[in-house]
Amino acid sequence: SQKIEQNSEALNIQEGKTATLTCNYTNYSPAYLQWYRQDPGRGPVFLLLIRENEKEKRKERLKVTFDTTLKQSLFHITASQPADSATYLCALDVDTGGFKTIFGAGTRLFVKA
Amino acid sequence: SQTIHQWPATLVQPVGSPLSLECTVEGTSNPNLYWYRQAAGRGLQLLFYSVGIGQISSEVPQNLSASRPQDRQFILSSKKLLLSDSGFYLCAWSPGRINEQFFGPGTRLTVL
Repeated sequence: SQKIEQNSEALNIQEGKTATLTCNYTNYSPAYLQWYRQDPGRGPVFLLLIRENEKEKRKERLKVTFDTTLKQSLFHITASQPADSATYLCALDVDTGGFKTIFGAGTRLFVKA
Repeated sequence: SQTIHQWPATLVQPVGSPLSLECTVEGTSNPNLYWYRQAAGRGLQLLFYSVGIGQISSEVPQNLSASRPQDRQFILSSKKLLLSDSGFYLCAWSPGRINEQFFGPGTRLTVL
């Protein structure tokens, strides 16, 4: 079955540094991959989508890479701020119809001032 | 603009009681609709998705069911709740294939 793995341990970084989160997947070749942010007690919020033919995508301080050979996506937050502290989820499509998406368990990020 | 509503926000139910959670979307038509469950400290588990009225795909065999009686309404139900049904239930919509999903505020369900 398809599997998504994200760092289960929390990531602690200092304000101003770059945070890098990893998402690895197995047993599938997704057409696209997404990253979401989730704050405690809230629903996830979409951040970025990257397609299989895109190597990198940027949005403001966010950057996502997608390596279909390694079956890995990296999510970077540059110049991190305490307000970036949250859980970040990766998600990928797992059927040819494009309707079914599975999510990783997420990585908790703490940015210290 | 589009908005998604879920209610209730919190719910405490005894084991064996029925359940009905409702989700509605405004400002769009023919959305794809999703129900997820998130256990404490865990990822999102896809329960059901729907690409049209009356079309429901079930991902996890369990005592839950879903219905889509109207284009922008998605209902999650159970006839008899189990302790293991406790969790954070999230409804989401997307405009179509290969699109981001927009989540509702969620319902925190506790089964005692």
